[in-house]
Amino acid sequence: DGGITQSPKYLFRKEGQNVTLSCEQNLNHDAMYWYRQDPGQGLRLIYYSQIVNDFQKGDIAEGYSVSREKKESFPLTVTSAQKNPTAFYLCASSIWPDYGYTFGSGTRLTVV
Amino acid sequence: SQQGEEDPQALSIQEGENATMNCSYKTSINNLQWYRQNSGRGLVHLILIRSNEREKHSGRLRVTLDTSKKSSSLLITASRAADTASYFCATVLNTGGFKTIFGAGTRLFVKA
Repeated sequence: DGGITQSPKYLFRKEGQNVTLSCEQNLNHDAMYWYRQDPGQGLRLIYYSQIVNDFQKGDIAEGYSVSREKKESFPLTVTSAQKNPTAFYLCASSIWPDYGYTFGSGTRLTVV
Repeated sequence: SQQGEEDPQALSIQEGENATMNCSYKTSINNLQWYRQNSGRGLVHLILIRSNEREKHSGRLRVTLDTSKKSSSLLITASRAADTASYFCATVLNTGGFKTIFGAGTRLFVKA
């Protein structure tokens, strides 16, 4: 079945530690996105990529980094520079930027 | 209103009743999309309506778009307990490239 796989489902980060969230899709979509969702709020765009080896900052990119070395993969690293990383992180893809998105099931990151 | 702002924030109804959620926006759009999110899960794309369309149906879902009022509504008919979820509207702007903005969502609770 085609879809997006995010791992891990739950992640715990210690102060000063970098962590990487995985996102893999087998939908052959060109565009991929990372969003952050805080309780009771909408989604805020962190980074997006419309083609391999190219990505753009979203509205809240500070403290995060990404790579897009393969069409199928768009990992997100939450660096120690992100001071408030506790949130629900969602990865999405679309065949074209103005089409509907397919979302993964999310990674819940908690600082311990 | 903000771009993609849902109303009401929360809605509680009995099973079998209809549920109506509204979305207002400020800037002209390319299209508007509705998504559903079950608790702790990713978003699921429900329906996309383009700026030149006025109404679309999908099963028990009916979406309308009024570009003169910059608003959209999502109607769920004959609601079921399984419809309990948060519903988000997403407006797609054409700003040279496409940008998708999500609202904060309407939390729907359907009582059995």
